[in-house]
Amino acid sequence: QKEVEQNSGPLSVPEGAIASLNCTYSDRVSQSFFWYRQYSGKSPELIMSIYSNGDKEDGRFTAQLNKASQYVSLLIRDSQPSDSATYLCAVTRLTKIIFGSGTRLSIRP
Amino acid sequence: SQTIHQWPATLVQPVGSPLSLECTVEGTSNPNLYWYRQAAGRGLQLLFYSVGIGQISSEVPQNLSASRPQDRQFILSSKKLLLSDSGFYLCAWCLGDVSYNEQFFGPGTRLTVL
Repeated sequence: QKEVEQNSGPLSVPEGAIASLNCTYSDRVSQSFFWYRQYSGKSPELIMSIYSNGDKEDGRFTAQLNKASQYVSLLIRDSQPSDSATYLCAVTRLTKIIFGSGTRLSIRP
Repeated sequence: SQTIHQWPATLVQPVGSPLSLECTVEGTSNPNLYWYRQAAGRGLQLLFYSVGIGQISSEVPQNLSASRPQDRQFILSSKKLLLSDSGFYLCAWCLGDVSYNEQFFGPGTRLTVL
């Protein structure tokens, strides 16, 4: 079992709809959780961090964390073509961050 | 504000040649520094991290090495490159323990070994 698992996609969502990205992790003691966006050929960009159970909203983005189920998700409301990218889920383990392989999101006009 | 630089941006090297990639951070002191590699279509693999000058932790045994000669400088090296060393090399920084702090990436170096 991978430490951080994501569906590789591609996930195709119509413009204006809600995109839902999911991630599960295996280490129950993980403390912090992050979502990064990576455009093709570019480095990852941090878009959300979440540390406690529940929802955290920032503009069109909402991160959801459920530590009991070891599950973290990212919702993107009013999806735009500029949201088309690979989204990396990242989870801390001790002094390191473990990354999932990413979900490729495509927003279709 | 903090800025992280990496150079070169792209590099094409023959098998067996040496390598030196540099990363510098501006606008902060005593950051934790990290080297990752991302192979084509793959996830991020942590190679090395450093919590201070001269302190290097290696995650994956291989023909790469890292050094931190100054507080805000992190260097990735190899004496002899392998084909499998091709990839996107990313430097990242974090203020303190990643358990409670966010980590930010530099622009990366794309290395092709021929």
